[in-house]
Amino acid sequence: AQSVTQLDSHVSVSEGTPVLLRCNYSSSYSPSLFWYVQHPNKGLQLLLKYTSAATLVKGINGFEAEFKKSETSFHLTKPSAHMSDAAEYFCVVSEPSGDYKLSFGAGTTVTVRA
Amino acid sequence: DTGVSQDPRHKITKRGQNVTFRCDPISEHNRLYWYRQTLGQGPEFLTYFQNEAQLEKSRLLSDRFSAERPKGSFSTLEIQRTEQGDSAMYLCASSFFPRDSYNEQFFGPGTRLTVL
Repeated sequence: AQSVTQLDSHVSVSEGTPVLLRCNYSSSYSPSLFWYVQHPNKGLQLLLKYTSAATLVKGINGFEAEFKKSETSFHLTKPSAHMSDAAEYFCVVSEPSGDYKLSFGAGTTVTVRA
Repeated sequence: DTGVSQDPRHKITKRGQNVTFRCDPISEHNRLYWYRQTLGQGPEFLTYFQNEAQLEKSRLLSDRFSAERPKGSFSTLEIQRTEQGDSAMYLCASSFFPRDSYNEQFFGPGTRLTVL
């Protein structure tokens, strides 16, 4: 069985400061891990994905995430937050078990202060 | 626009009524997934199709829910005798399997259902 825990339900940062969103996963297989972003009234957009290649993954809009198997973590970071980063972020796990269904965390709401 | 589309975007209905949602996937994608997202939660898997075959249904999908993908292209999700607990965002995603090792899914904008 696969599951994801997002450790923060809400993160507030000042514009220009770093962003850290924490995620721990549980999986019976070698999972694929993703971060998706959801802006208000918009669809889910893939930020980045880990698929057993490099453990440090770079995504769109300056985001990156590091896969740490020993810690079962996949934290998302960005060096400098922008006002447009205000959104809901989901950490997602998928197992290569045929259905490839996605299991989402509960989400982290990011607010960016001017 | 060649992304995943969903119709309607919003649906308000009264308890006990039936509703049907439609999803049009990216044209070459053979897999289609339905998820449900309730307020303050992440999306949860409901069911998925490969071509026209429905291969898995979640326990969340009660007998009042039915999904079809008759020609392996668009899909419909019907909810019969709606209940207030069915109020949620219904998301559709599509993918091409097995193009890659992780089966990237592309999401539509969702249909927001409100049951009064």
